[in-house]
Amino acid sequence: DIQMTQSPSTLSAFVGDRVTITCRASQSISSWLAWYQQKPGKAPKLLIYKASTLQSGVPSRFSGSESGTEFTLTISSLQPEDSATYYCQQYKTHYSFGQGTKVEIK
Amino acid sequence: EVQLVQSGGGLVQPGGSLRLSCVDYGSTFRSYWMSWVRQAPGKGLEWVANIRQDGREKYLLASVVGRFSISRDNAKNSVYLQMNSLRVEDTAVYYCVREGGGAFFDLWGQGALVTVSS
Repeated sequence: DIQMTQSPSTLSAFVGDRVTITCRASQSISSWLAWYQQKPGKAPKLLIYKASTLQSGVPSRFSGSESGTEFTLTISSLQPEDSATYYCQQYKTHYSFGQGTKVEIK
Repeated sequence: EVQLVQSGGGLVQPGGSLRLSCVDYGSTFRSYWMSWVRQAPGKGLEWVANIRQDGREKYLLASVVGRFSISRDNAKNSVYLQMNSLRVEDTAVYYCVREGGGAFFDLWGQGALVTVSS
């Protein structure tokens, strides 16, 4: 099974800050990685797929990148509505998710 | 508006059964793999099962093999999760999910809470 290790588990930042979340795969997954945003009591929402492709309708302040088995979600300028939990997911072999990163606004 | 609408959650005793349903409104349902993903209270996401467009290929999470089954009816734009021999650890919100062009999850249902408790 492919394990996804996400960090940090929580982060707190100011509005306007640049925020980075990292996800590491236990083996190569090529670019078969997605990022989701989940707000309390709601279903997750797809942000990015294939490591760096922005889903339609998602603000351009969200971006994804990859380096080997390490993947990064960046929010270039944090907004109040970005307060949520973010999950990475590999879909190279079946599916597995990272543990999640809770983003809070200071 | 394209959406997945779920039904069928509830409270069930350990060892009991429950069937979740999900209807796809607005998309070409028969073109997509469909999955079920669950989330235990306060926990992360866990994929549970998926089914190919024609229903002939299915996969299940190892811990639910022999207890859960997935099926679909393309004439009704619907996918189902039959859950038998339920355990306390199956307690979770279950989401019906559409797999996009690259097997990522691009459309989610609203979720259905399944509580397994005596």
